[in-house]
Amino acid sequence: NAGVMQNPRHLVRRRGQEARLRCSPMKGHSHVYWYRQLPEEGLKFMVYLQKENIIDESGMPKERFSAEFPKEGPSILRIQQVVRGDSAAYFCASSRQPNTEAFFGQGTRLTVV
Amino acid sequence: DQQVKQNSPSLSVQEGRISILNCDYTNSMFDYFLWYKKYPAEGPTFLISISSIKDKNEDGRFTVFLNKSAKHLSLHIVPSQPGDSAVYFCACNQFYFGTGTSLTVIP
Repeated sequence: NAGVMQNPRHLVRRRGQEARLRCSPMKGHSHVYWYRQLPEEGLKFMVYLQKENIIDESGMPKERFSAEFPKEGPSILRIQQVVRGDSAAYFCASSRQPNTEAFFGQGTRLTVV
Repeated sequence: DQQVKQNSPSLSVQEGRISILNCDYTNSMFDYFLWYKKYPAEGPTFLISISSIKDKNEDGRFTVFLNKSAKHLSLHIVPSQPGDSAVYFCACNQFYFGTGTSLTVIP
């Protein structure tokens, strides 16, 4: 039973490009959470999705960031027109039910140059 | 505004002794609390959780205590082992994470 898979593990983008981060939840998990961790900081919640629906996006910046979790395929976190301040580790987690323990992927480290 | 706080950025403990990690939260609506452990360059790993209807949950060497009136939870690890050295995050309702406490267990 594979764990949560995130790819790529490392992503380098130039300012102004788009970054697309993928997350495949554990089998049987329909709840996906995205977090960002800036250097020397804790995890900041960004968005919570359940298949095809955004449940809570209160932690998502209003511009340039979007997330989806289609019926088929992985969840995608998209960052358009990246800036240096977007450089961070982005983690996704999945759970079988809400308010139960979530299992994390290994993260995608985004570097904007 | 930081709704979940871990006021000790780091903690050092001798092997075999008890490690106590603390976490404070501000929102009385939180009803599910979790502790995660994180090694460098890896994702967090779930350790233990507690719902607001309980005040204690135990799993092997790990015990989580919840004091709802004080809005405080703590993680006790006993006996501590060198392999426990990691960063520990508390989380509320899976959405709000503390800034982490780096635990070092000295052999």
